[in-house]
Amino acid sequence: AQSVTQPDIHITVSEGASLELRCNYSYGATPYLFWYVQSPGQGLQLLLKYFSGDTLVQGIKGFEAEFKRSQSSFNLRKPSVHWSDAAEYFCAVAASGGSYIPTFGRGTSLIVHP
Amino acid sequence: DTEVTQTPKHLVMGMTNKKSLKCEQHMGHRAMYWYKQKAKKPPELMFVYSYEKLSINESVPSRFSPECPNSSLLNLHLHALQPEDSALYLCASSQVGGLGTEAFFGQGTRLTVV
Repeated sequence: AQSVTQPDIHITVSEGASLELRCNYSYGATPYLFWYVQSPGQGLQLLLKYFSGDTLVQGIKGFEAEFKRSQSSFNLRKPSVHWSDAAEYFCAVAASGGSYIPTFGRGTSLIVHP
Repeated sequence: DTEVTQTPKHLVMGMTNKKSLKCEQHMGHRAMYWYKQKAKKPPELMFVYSYEKLSINESVPSRFSPECPNSSLLNLHLHALQPEDSALYLCASSQVGGLGTEAFFGQGTRLTVV
């Protein structure tokens, strides 16, 4: 079965600092990987996705993520965080063994200090 | 159009009421999902429809009854709910299997059961 782990419940950064949110997945083959962002009381917005090919993927809002097969990781990065980036971030995995239904990590809450 | 529209945005209902949540998408997606999300938790899968047929029911109580009238619409009928059913209910859609299976989410319905 597919699963995804986000080891950090909370991350606090200063505005303008760089950001890295961690995500590790468990699946026999390479699954499809996603990062979603959720502002309070809102739905989930897709930031970026990885299906195959180039392991560094660019997303919206200046985010990028790097797929590392050897580490079973798909970490999300941003070079300079803005106060509006404060939100909940979910890593998700979808794979054929799970009928391509997204399975979510527990989420990481990003707090941005001015 | 990459939008999934959910109505209503907010709903307050008593434990003896019957209400319905609605979800609509016009992206040609043939997989549609209901997720339940409690505060500070990831979305939990409830139901999956594939080609308008219920393909997955994650052991959801019968007081939740899904319906997929056509390929663009998904409903969730609610009856005799409990206060612990209060949550954000998210609808999502995607293509079925393979590349392009990223799920697009609606803004959710905030349900309060009193």
